[in-house]
Amino acid sequence: AQKITQTQPGMFVQEKEAVTLDCTYDTSDPSYGLFWYKQPSSGEMIFLIYQGSYDQQNATEGRYSLNFQKARKSANLVISASQLGDSAMYFCAMRGWEVTSGTYKYIFGTGTRLKVLA
Amino acid sequence: EAQVTQNPRYLITVTGKKLTVTCSQNMNHEYMSWYRQDPGLGLRQIYYSMNVEVTDKGDVPEGYKVSRKEKRNFPLILESPSPNQTSLYFCASSEGLAGLDEQFFGPGTRLTVL
Repeated sequence: AQKITQTQPGMFVQEKEAVTLDCTYDTSDPSYGLFWYKQPSSGEMIFLIYQGSYDQQNATEGRYSLNFQKARKSANLVISASQLGDSAMYFCAMRGWEVTSGTYKYIFGTGTRLKVLA
Repeated sequence: EAQVTQNPRYLITVTGKKLTVTCSQNMNHEYMSWYRQDPGLGLRQIYYSMNVEVTDKGDVPEGYKVSRKEKRNFPLILESPSPNQTSLYFCASSEGLAGLDEQFFGPGTRLTVL
């Protein structure tokens, strides 16, 4: 079965510093996608970054980068130069074909709550 | 404006009273999905649809029904709600048939079943 694991329930980071949010995954599908979403206290889900399983380079979007280590099955999110507005819940997600159920599944981790300190 | 809309945003109901949460997208997306979010559990997929008249179960489909009669709409139906269905519900859509693209989320519906 597919699985996403986020082991950090909460993290603190000082403003302007970089922070890494961990995500590991498991799937038997060779073609999958990895995503990070941000959920501020207002509740909406905001897409941040995507990495395809066949992408050779790590994805980057502004201050967000995804440290993709395929052999280790990890897809960590790196936020550079943290800002107060980065305080939010962050979810790692994966999209792939689940052989056991014969369906496409989109699964999320349990999230990491990030607090940026002034 | 490209968006996914959900209604209602907030709903308090009683056990056993049938309800429908509507979801509509204006981006002509093929893939649509429903999730529930519970503290400590992240988001869990309830049902998804890869096209009109094509729906399939996610990880937690029990107690829910969906339909996809039109491309833009994907309502979530609770025939006989129970308190354990109290949750925050999100509808989402994405362009690709396999949903490999980013998902666009609705604003969420907070449901309380008494």
